[in-house]
Amino acid sequence: GQNIDQPTEMTATEGAIVQINCTYQTSGFNGLFWYQQHAGEAPTFLSYNVLDGLEEKGRFSSFLSRSKGYSYLLLKELQMKDSASYLCAVRPFNTDKLIFGTGTRLQVFP
Amino acid sequence: GEEVAQTPKHLVRGEGQKAKLYCAPIKGHSYVFWYQQVLKNEFKFLISFQNENVFDETGMPKERFSAKCLPNSPCSLEIQATKLEDSAVYFCASSPQPNEQFFGPGTRLTVL
Repeated sequence: GQNIDQPTEMTATEGAIVQINCTYQTSGFNGLFWYQQHAGEAPTFLSYNVLDGLEEKGRFSSFLSRSKGYSYLLLKELQMKDSASYLCAVRPFNTDKLIFGTGTRLQVFP
Repeated sequence: GEEVAQTPKHLVRGEGQKAKLYCAPIKGHSYVFWYQQVLKNEFKFLISFQNENVFDETGMPKERFSAKCLPNSPCSLEIQATKLEDSAVYFCASSPQPNEQFFGPGTRLTVL
């Protein structure tokens, strides 16, 4: 079966660092994606991991451990505009579709 | 275009009526995906196309849902005889290859 877990909600302070975890169990693995979605808007692509390790892109980094079925998204120097939902999505093997987690709603406070 | 375009932005239908949603993928992208997002961010994959060919339709409720991607036309998702539980935001995404998917703004369908 397919199962992707991430925390429902998180809060953090402006300027801080926050880590959003995602664990997955899917039928095969062919990449993990992180998307950001502001309320009422389309998801926007943040990162893609297919090999183990850390991918850094500005203030955002994403980590993957395939053996543990685990990923995290790290957001540094938080800004108010980072308040959004963060969606973890896995692409199972032999398909192009994405299986999404339920998303983590992050609120950044001043 | 440089963005995925979806129309209409909002659609209201009475239960039992037909609903048709449209998606224009980014020019040059050969993969198109439809997802349904209900409350609490639950995204559900519906169907994918590679050009005009159905690639994966494992998420489609086949009795009432159908989709097409014809050459030189927007892709479409049609729901016959809508039900209350079809109320959701329907997102279309496109990609040039099976990696990053670019999402459109979505169509909010409300079934009354």
